[in-house]
Amino acid sequence: DTGVSQDPRHKITKRGQNVTFRCDPISEHNRLYWYRQTLGQGPEFLTYFQNEAQLEKSRLLSDRFSAERPKGSFSTLEIQRTEQGDSAMYLCASSFIGGPYEQYFGPGTRLTVT
Amino acid sequence: GDSVTQMEGPVTLSEEAFLTINCTYTATGYPSLFWYVQYPGEGLQLLLKATKADDKGSNKGFEATYRKETTSFHLEKGSVQVSDSAVYFCALSDSNQFYFGTGTSLTVIP
Repeated sequence: DTGVSQDPRHKITKRGQNVTFRCDPISEHNRLYWYRQTLGQGPEFLTYFQNEAQLEKSRLLSDRFSAERPKGSFSTLEIQRTEQGDSAMYLCASSFIGGPYEQYFGPGTRLTVT
Repeated sequence: GDSVTQMEGPVTLSEEAFLTINCTYTATGYPSLFWYVQYPGEGLQLLLKATKADDKGSNKGFEATYRKETTSFHLEKGSVQVSDSAVYFCALSDSNQFYFGTGTSLTVIP
């Protein structure tokens, strides 16, 4: 399977703990995106990388959130000091640079903060 | 800023009925437009796309036409099946970011 993969698929954590999610994009893709999706809503943009450079961050991404993409391959999204409001589905997507920019999504990581 | 407004659901149809899900957009430039589908328990899948005005995207019997004059990209299917039950998201891309609608849940009953 050469699609976008995410790990873990589910994560339950206690408030105040740190969590880290991983995304492996489609290998030829040089752009990687992180989104958050809550129940009944569409995905909300968090941040994106072009190769290893983080080019844009949403104001939704508080200073408790950090994302990396070392060597322009896989990416990690870390949430420090989790809060109950962080409970959501975290989606990763990848795409090529150059039009028409369609993104390919992974299955998501569902985070539950208790 | 750019945004997408999508018809609210849920939508319930009988098998073989005609489907329309409305989507309108606001954009400062010339975005590309997309429909994504999310089946229960799965990630988003690209359903179809259109990159310029008057383009028609089509896939699996679904169609949508990029209408610049009405800033719309309505999704249509002539005869829905039970397997089409899913959540449908309209989205636009300005080349750096994607903006998604809130999704429309479709249930098709036999």
